[in-house]
Amino acid sequence: DAKTTQPPSMDCAEGRAANLPCNHSTISGNEYVYWYRQIHSQGPQYIIHGLKNNETNEMASLIITEDRKSSTLILPHATLRDTAVYYCIVKGSNYKLTFGKGTLLTVNP
Amino acid sequence: SAVISQKPSRDICQRGTSLTIQCQVDSQVTMMFWYRQQPGQSLTLIATANQGSEATYESGFVIDKFPISRPNLTFSTLTVSNMSPEDSSIYLCSVITVENYEQYFGPGTRLTVT
Repeated sequence: DAKTTQPPSMDCAEGRAANLPCNHSTISGNEYVYWYRQIHSQGPQYIIHGLKNNETNEMASLIITEDRKSSTLILPHATLRDTAVYYCIVKGSNYKLTFGKGTLLTVNP
Repeated sequence: SAVISQKPSRDICQRGTSLTIQCQVDSQVTMMFWYRQQPGQSLTLIATANQGSEATYESGFVIDKFPISRPNLTFSTLTVSNMSPEDSSIYLCSVITVENYEQYFGPGTRLTVT
């Protein structure tokens, strides 16, 4: 599976949009981009995934560039409860999720 | 999504002893996994729990140290054997559901070895 690169930390003001970037320049055509988050002392929570089209669900939006080498997870109105480590994972046809270090998003009041 | 429960939620154990962690899922799943998260680190896959057969271990993990059982589709156990302080970690159960083939994680078991 392709490797991902994320900034180690980001800050966001409560109520504003949080935009979390991820680089995956070696992604293959059949690999998906997945996002999970882990709130302190809890198990990771699935957020969203996509292949090449932008995706939106009740939690977030995922924007994937046309060349698929990078993506952005958008939390439209961040709350204090969104403070967590966010993991961007590229996943192929096998079942394995390989977690990197992720981005610690801190939402400030 | 699936509701995954783990027991115990946390434990403090003496070195040299063993601890068995249980994972129960409330819906049908295709695959079950065990992960480890060492303090301050990211998650690492230990093994895939196979129903009715031996688990499939990742590089660096062996059956003697982490025996795994999966007697049915919705239940699995992970044993951490002959524990040392280096085994102090959060151990997480994870499943892929039949419903949507997405992967979900349990709340984790926080193990401290003294």
